[in-house]
Amino acid sequence: DVKVTQSSRYLVKRTGEKVFLECVQDMDHENMFWYRQDPGLGLRLIYFSYDVKMKEKGDIPEGYSVSREKKERFSLILESASTNQTSMYLCASLPGQFTGELFFGEGSRLTVL
Amino acid sequence: AQKITQTQPGMFVQEKEAVTLDCTYDTSDQSYGLFWYKQPSSGEMIFLIYQGSYDEQNATEGRYSLNFQKARKSANLVISASQLGDSAMYFCAMRLGGDDKIIFGKGTRLHILP
Repeated sequence: DVKVTQSSRYLVKRTGEKVFLECVQDMDHENMFWYRQDPGLGLRLIYFSYDVKMKEKGDIPEGYSVSREKKERFSLILESASTNQTSMYLCASLPGQFTGELFFGEGSRLTVL
Repeated sequence: AQKITQTQPGMFVQEKEAVTLDCTYDTSDQSYGLFWYKQPSSGEMIFLIYQGSYDEQNATEGRYSLNFQKARKSANLVISASQLGDSAMYFCAMRLGGDDKIIFGKGTRLHILP
């Protein structure tokens, strides 16, 4: 069964802290994505990666960075968390042979105080 | 600019009626894909249907069909014979052919009334 696992379902952090959100997929997919979901704004693409050590900015990369050292793992990093980064973060993966389905993790709800 | 637009923030529909959720897109790519996801209150993202830009026939999956009108750049989702369990948020999304970037619209919240 296809699986995308996000390390933390709920996190509470303080302003200025460094935050790591981890995402692991077990399907040998080439492409991985990080989105944030906010009410009324839908899913907005932060970063995506099409290969190990490769990354591309999405539509809202400011305040975020990513790391993809291994094919199965894609990490989202908030260098200095701010209250406006309080959100639901969704990781997704996509096979290179595109079948039409993007596979999502369960999401990580981050609250920055 | 690459963009997905869903103009209906919310819809109320009587059970058993057909529903059309609107989606328009903007891209200069020739190769792209369009799809729809359902997100119930549980939060999981459920894949519904996919249409490639070169597919000549509209995609169908059970009660779901995608009304693809390339010239109008629209990819509306049609749900036939709606059910109470169809109440959810629905997102339209586009995969861009050049770099596999995938962007989403803001969503439409569908309420099915008994």
